[in-house]
Amino acid sequence: AAGVIQSPRHLIKEKRETATLKCYPIPRHDTVYWYQQGPGQDPQFLISFYEKMQSDKGSIPDRFSAQQFSDYHSELNMSSLELGDSALYFCASSFGDANYGYTFGSGTRLTVV
Amino acid sequence: AQTVTQSQPEMSVQEAETVTLSCTYDTSESNYYLFWYKQPPSRQMILVIRQEAYKQQNATENRFSVNFQKAAKSFSLKISDSQLGDTAMYFCAFMKPKETSGSRLTFGEGTQLTVNP
Repeated sequence: AAGVIQSPRHLIKEKRETATLKCYPIPRHDTVYWYQQGPGQDPQFLISFYEKMQSDKGSIPDRFSAQQFSDYHSELNMSSLELGDSALYFCASSFGDANYGYTFGSGTRLTVV
Repeated sequence: AQTVTQSQPEMSVQEAETVTLSCTYDTSESNYYLFWYKQPPSRQMILVIRQEAYKQQNATENRFSVNFQKAAKSFSLKISDSQLGDTAMYFCAFMKPKETSGSRLTFGEGTQLTVNP
């Protein structure tokens, strides 16, 4: 079965650089979510899109932006990277009211040096 | 806002034994969903089991079952016949769905479960 695809799997950037993370949801899923998981922490909600429109916004820094494209893939853009942005970034997708839960991607590990 | 609390940062169990992970939550909502996710060393987030708040019957998925106490706002996970592959971080999560779409998950702090041979 198709899963949520994230790229790249690993990314190393220097401080003040920009990073772009990509997410390809499961076909026919209508909602995409982005989460940030710091070392030893639980995942924190960043932002979500329903049918290509932003549907909810969490603790996403102003330096970050995201969008969902016409083919339903989503990108998380992160600028002026800081050491504290080093984390695992998950994308997930769901269908309907998500009562069956999300399907998460494998995550992108971002390291800022 | 919803909060989810897992009071056991770490637990261990012997292979083939049973273990219960605790989770409590706080909400004023009447309709919501609860989930347990597993995160093994690979860091993949894997859905273990789900519970709909309006269903009194506790969910069961093979060796995994929950004890859902809505009045007490408690949602514990029981793992029977523990296997080495159950070693992982377990997150309890809460979701208040929207009318037509899902919404954010609020996670607990996690419980690191180690299954010993």
